[in-house]
Amino acid sequence: QITLKESGPTLVKPTQTLTLTCTFSGFSLSTSGEGVGWIRQPPGKALEWLTLIYWDDGKRYSPSLKSRLSITKDTSRDQVVLTMTNTDTVDTATYYCAHRRITAAGQYFDRWGQGTLVTVSS
Amino acid sequence: QSVLTQPPSVSGAPGQRVTISCTGSSSNLGAGYDVHWYQQFPGAAPKLVIYANNNRPSGAPDRFSGSKSGTSASLTITGLQAEDEADFYCQSFDKSLSGAVFGGGTRLTVL
Repeated sequence: QITLKESGPTLVKPTQTLTLTCTFSGFSLSTSGEGVGWIRQPPGKALEWLTLIYWDDGKRYSPSLKSRLSITKDTSRDQVVLTMTNTDTVDTATYYCAHRRITAAGQYFDRWGQGTLVTVSS
Repeated sequence: QSVLTQPPSVSGAPGQRVTISCTGSSSNLGAGYDVHWYQQFPGAAPKLVIYANNNRPSGAPDRFSGSKSGTSASLTITGLQAEDEADFYCQSFDKSLSGAVFGGGTRLTVL
């Protein structure tokens, strides 16, 4: 059974760097085809895809946030780390990590973590 | 402004059928990429209910079905139940953005 859980600070000040960790079980990111993504949701708003990391260390970023995001993996600890620099109040959101599956024509997220609410405020 | 367009809200009485639309472009749905649907209850994480246009994952009620044609897709719920009341999001892949894209979400109200 695949499970994921996000952890990190609940409050960060504007301009600070936000670091979130996704700890997962039930699969290995060293297995061909596997991937983990980060998605966020501001309060009362829609889901927004941020980034994705693949088993081969390939990475994809949302073009609008690419300059501020970094994603890494630690396969020995079954963890994925999201780093967001120069945070702003608009980055206040619930951040989810999710397990990615592929189809013949795309990819989707079949298992999600519970999410962690991060507030950016001075 | 979301890349995929959904109606903000839909409603229906128990037992009725409701359909939620998802409109994309030639860069995502129109390019042949699959559409997937998630249900989200207040305060909870999204849960997959339809993947690859019309496939239900294990545990998803068979009242949920999906379809896709060209740049549009839809999620249909038949035999509406009070427990279906939630927000629904469509998701696909966009080749111009080289990443996943979501719709703006649709709130389903069971009258």
